[in-house]
Amino acid sequence: GAGVSQSPSNKVTEKGKDVELRCDPISGHTALYWYRQRLGQGLEFLIYFQGNSAPDKSGLPSDRFSAERTGESVSTLTIQRTQQEDSAVYLCASSLGGAGGVYEQYFGPGTRLTVT
Amino acid sequence: KNEVEQSPQNLTAQEGEFITINCSYSVGISALHWLQQHPGGGIVSLFMLSSGKKKHGRLIATINIQEKHSSLHITASHPRDSAVYICAVRRYGNKLVFGAGTILRVKS
Repeated sequence: GAGVSQSPSNKVTEKGKDVELRCDPISGHTALYWYRQRLGQGLEFLIYFQGNSAPDKSGLPSDRFSAERTGESVSTLTIQRTQQEDSAVYLCASSLGGAGGVYEQYFGPGTRLTVT
Repeated sequence: KNEVEQSPQNLTAQEGEFITINCSYSVGISALHWLQQHPGGGIVSLFMLSSGKKKHGRLIATINIQEKHSSLHITASHPRDSAVYICAVRRYGNKLVFGAGTILRVKS
């Protein structure tokens, strides 16, 4: 079946502009995660959605970052007033979910964001 | 100190060699993941484990919960194994904390 998809694959934007990144999880996966990988650095957790529960936003680096998820499907990560330090690959992952369960995460191909 | 430490940071091996990558962590976890990231960025989950040992083909992952340590082994390494290998631990809840990765290059 189809894996996790993300769009766009590449985005170049000017400093100060807003950007929206999209993630389509695997159908039936109730958990969705956003991560960031800056050049030469490791992956960082940003936000986690599980079903209808309140999202875990503990990894969002500033209030310029926000994310939404429509039910158990598409998620959008929005970065307002982009800064050069926001340049990174933004990765989305999804998994089956549920209280107390531990499930494998499936990663999308990522969106490479460049802020000029 | 990072919650997840990997070693070595870089590893070069000859084709056919047995490879070990280590991961130590300092927090309580519900599971540990080994991920593979190829040039171009795609990430594939290799293993998720919370105890003991798992094997897929030439890859073996072990975890010692008491010692807070995991190892990823590659037997009969091949140039196509060249990639970044990332250890990630799942805290109670679902947040993943990642190690910095080990860059593996296997020469033919």
